[in-house]
Amino acid sequence: NAGVTQTPKFQVLKTGQSMTLQCAQDMNHEYMSWYRQDPGMGLRLIHYSVGAGITDQGEVPNGYNVSRSTTEDFPLRLLSAAPSQTSVYFCASSGRDRGISSYGYTFGSGTRLTVV
Amino acid sequence: KNEVEQSPQNLTAQEGEFITINCSYSVGISALHWLQQHPGGGIVSLFMLSSGKKKHGRLIATINIQEKHSSLHITASHPRDSAVYICALSRGSNYKLTFGKGTLLTVNP
Repeated sequence: NAGVTQTPKFQVLKTGQSMTLQCAQDMNHEYMSWYRQDPGMGLRLIHYSVGAGITDQGEVPNGYNVSRSTTEDFPLRLLSAAPSQTSVYFCASSGRDRGISSYGYTFGSGTRLTVV
Repeated sequence: KNEVEQSPQNLTAQEGEFITINCSYSVGISALHWLQQHPGGGIVSLFMLSSGKKKHGRLIATINIQEKHSSLHITASHPRDSAVYICALSRGSNYKLTFGKGTLLTVNP
C-alpha cells in the first residue's frame, strides 16, 4: 500500500497566488486532516474530515479551503497566498486498518511551502 | 497552560545510552501517540497507547493513565535515532490530535 500520498513536496508561491495541495490515501480511512508545522509552534490542525462530504475547521483554518468528495482524496486549497502561510504542511489519515480497530495515524511526507 | 507538555525540550546522548522522553498531559484522553520526525523529514507514528506498555524493537512506550504521564524509552541508542519525538493526544473519537512541542534528540557516535 502507498499509504498517504502528498504532493507537491516543495512549492514557492508569490503573494496572492492560489494553489492546491493534494492528499490521497488508499487505506479506506474515514478520517483525514491537514496540519501546518511552524518552528516553535508545533503541529496545528487546519481542517479535517470524518468522511466523504463532511469537513470541519481546525485550529487555524483562515485562508484555507478543503473538500472531501471521495474517501480517498482531501485537497487543501490556498485561496490567496500570504507570507504568513509559509510553513510545512502535512496531511494525515486515520481509521480502521483492514477491519482491525486501529485509529493510529499515517502521515504524508509533507509539503514545504514558501510564499514570497 | 498547554494540555500536553514534553520534557526535555532538547536531549543529547552518546551512542549506546538509554534514553527517556517524558510526556505529561492535563486532560482526559482516549489514546496517546508517540511520533518520530527526522530532520527535514516526514512524520512516522511509533506507538498508540491507551494503557500499559508497548515495545517495538529498541523502543518502549509506557503510559500511566492515573498520573496522566507517558514515557518513551530508547535502549542502546544509535545516531539514526536522532530525530524529533512528538507526543500527541487523542480525545473522544480518537480523530483530532493535540500535539506537544516535541523533543529534539541528538545521539552522537
